[in-house]
Amino acid sequence: EDQVTQSPEALRLQEGESSSLNCSYTVSGLRGLFWYRQDPGKGPEFLFTLYSAGEEKEKERLKATLTKKESFLHITAPKPEDSATYLCAVQARNEYSTLTFGKGTMLLVSP
Amino acid sequence: EAGVTQFPSHSVIEKGQTVTLRCDPISGHDNLYWYRRVMGKEIKFLLHFVKESKQDESGMPNNRFLAERTGGTYSTLKVQPAELEDSGVYFCASSPLWDLEFAFFGQGTRLTVV
Repeated sequence: EDQVTQSPEALRLQEGESSSLNCSYTVSGLRGLFWYRQDPGKGPEFLFTLYSAGEEKEKERLKATLTKKESFLHITAPKPEDSATYLCAVQARNEYSTLTFGKGTMLLVSP
Repeated sequence: EAGVTQFPSHSVIEKGQTVTLRCDPISGHDNLYWYRRVMGKEIKFLLHFVKESKQDESGMPNNRFLAERTGGTYSTLKVQPAELEDSGVYFCASSPLWDLEFAFFGQGTRLTVV
């Protein structure tokens, strides 16, 4: 069974204090690993998809990396508007419909 | 461009009642997905439509849940009769391609069964 574990469950940072969120996964052949941002009362908002180990993608202050067992979401010099829950999900190679999600990391950035 | 819209935003019903959730996908998106998040758990897949056909309904928890997508446009998810464990947030997503990278999620419907 595919499984995704995210850590920490919650993270509090000061504005400008860089950090990383972890997503560990087990999947029967990876098609893609997804990162989403979710704000309170809203649905997940797509950030990145990573397809193979060693791949990296960046968007503003966010950078996602992928190995064969885990992915990191690095947040550089975060701002209060980066506060949100960050979700990781995997899609198995034999799956076309299903994403397996982790529980998410709730990030709070204080000014 | 309008996003994925879900109705209602919130619903509180009594155990044993029936509730119907609606999802209006982005126009032209053939693929429509339903997911839900039960309190304290992760978001889980329920089913996937391609146009009006059910492509994958492996995540539907039991036969109290019925999803339809008439004419390949909007979709409804009916829960009948509702149980306490059905409480959670139900998300709909739509995509123009059979590729989840291009999927957009709606804001969700929070269902509370009391």
